[in-house]
Amino acid sequence: QSALTQPASVSGSPGQSITISCTGTSSDVGGYNFVSWYQQHPGKAPKFIIYDVNKRPSGVSNRFSGSKSGNTASLTISGLQAEDEADFYCSSYTSRSTWVFGGGTKLTVL
Amino acid sequence: QGQLVESGGGVVQPGGSLRLSCAASGFSFSTYGMHWVRQAPGKGLEWVAFIRNDATNKYQADSVRGRFTISRDDAKNTLYLQMNSLRVEDTAVYYCARRADSSAYSSDHWGQGTLVTVSS
Repeated sequence: QSALTQPASVSGSPGQSITISCTGTSSDVGGYNFVSWYQQHPGKAPKFIIYDVNKRPSGVSNRFSGSKSGNTASLTISGLQAEDEADFYCSSYTSRSTWVFGGGTKLTVL
Repeated sequence: QGQLVESGGGVVQPGGSLRLSCAASGFSFSTYGMHWVRQAPGKGLEWVAFIRNDATNKYQADSVRGRFTISRDDAKNTLYLQMNSLRVEDTAVYYCARRADSSAYSSDHWGQGTLVTVSS
């Protein structure tokens, strides 16, 4: 199972919006509405921020939103804040009853 | 809320074995499916294995199939990962994670991780 494809890095200024893409295949991202997103700060465990493509767990800021079109899912962060700087990972359930992560995207807040 | 605490990591030679544990508390462990996810130094997350709450089904990544075995002891509220025939490329921080309340396909609680180093 190949990792989902994410850009290695994205950046934005405080207050701006950024979008991180996550491209898979019809056997994972495109075949199921089970895409999740995780935020990971250096030295910390991942934090769950989006599930089932576009749903937010309670307590997660509404500045985080998810979407999907075909085999590509996206995470959008609006109103960038300094504390958003972190690594972000997408994950999808697959047709083999396994899970696959994206390679990760480093977000820099300028 | 729930807490997960991994243990059992350490340094092992290639070809060796190690068993990781993940102690759960603060939630009804027996009702949740559980994952192992790893992260090599400076690299991204890699899903390793999943076990259903009733242990009837277990799934593993191709990279560990036949070498790693996931199991659970609900009486001890503990998840395990038996790792055999270890390779240098298995070096990573290993996290256990709980299936989310909101979605069976996500993980809402993660441990702090335990480091496994495979080196001669």
